[in-house]
Amino acid sequence: QQQVRQSPQSLTVWEGETAILNCSYEDSTFNYFPWYQQFPGEGPALLISIRSVSDKKEDGRFTIFFNKREKKLSLHITDSQPGDSATYFCAASDSAGNKLTFGIGTRVLVRP
Amino acid sequence: AQTIHQWPVAEIKAVGSPLSLGCTIKGKSSPNLYWYWQATGGTLQQLFYSITVGQVESVVQLNLSASRPKDDQFILSTEKLLLSHSGFYLCAWSPSAEEQYFGPGTRLTVL
Repeated sequence: QQQVRQSPQSLTVWEGETAILNCSYEDSTFNYFPWYQQFPGEGPALLISIRSVSDKKEDGRFTIFFNKREKKLSLHITDSQPGDSATYFCAASDSAGNKLTFGIGTRVLVRP
Repeated sequence: AQTIHQWPVAEIKAVGSPLSLGCTIKGKSSPNLYWYWQATGGTLQQLFYSITVGQVESVVQLNLSASRPKDDQFILSTEKLLLSHSGFYLCAWSPSAEEQYFGPGTRLTVL
């Protein structure tokens, strides 16, 4: 049973466009949602995160939009750059922390 | 600044042989520590976490075990490798049980 779902599995955008990555979850006790960026052969890097008390979090070109009622969130990458080409994972945990559940990831390719 | 080191970088082992992977955190006392497994092209599956020395919680059973012999060290091991153990093993640390920071990983191939 997949508790954290991501879509699409892969996404291709042109340089300068906005990439939109979607995530949804089942468990209503989840209240912390980090996004990780992973390049091939490397460990994932924490990109940006949001807590369920907020509906938006922005960090440079990366923005999370959160809809608690629908249990959905999305990551927007504006002005996409070829260096943003990577796999992005949505994850979730509850207030106890420590147990982090990951989605299957979205592979993003930014074409110059 | 905190640094996380994993060893070895890569390992090729035979089915049925033992395994020991290590992780060390420098620059942070009493971190929460985690082990994850990632199949090639797949998601991350949390295996174990530890809040303090000598205490390890199992999240999923994969015929693996973990130990925390020192505050800054986390060990993943098994006495008998299976083909299904192949993949990318990642250690992570957290200052607060929420944000987790990953190491560079160990690539394991079981033949």
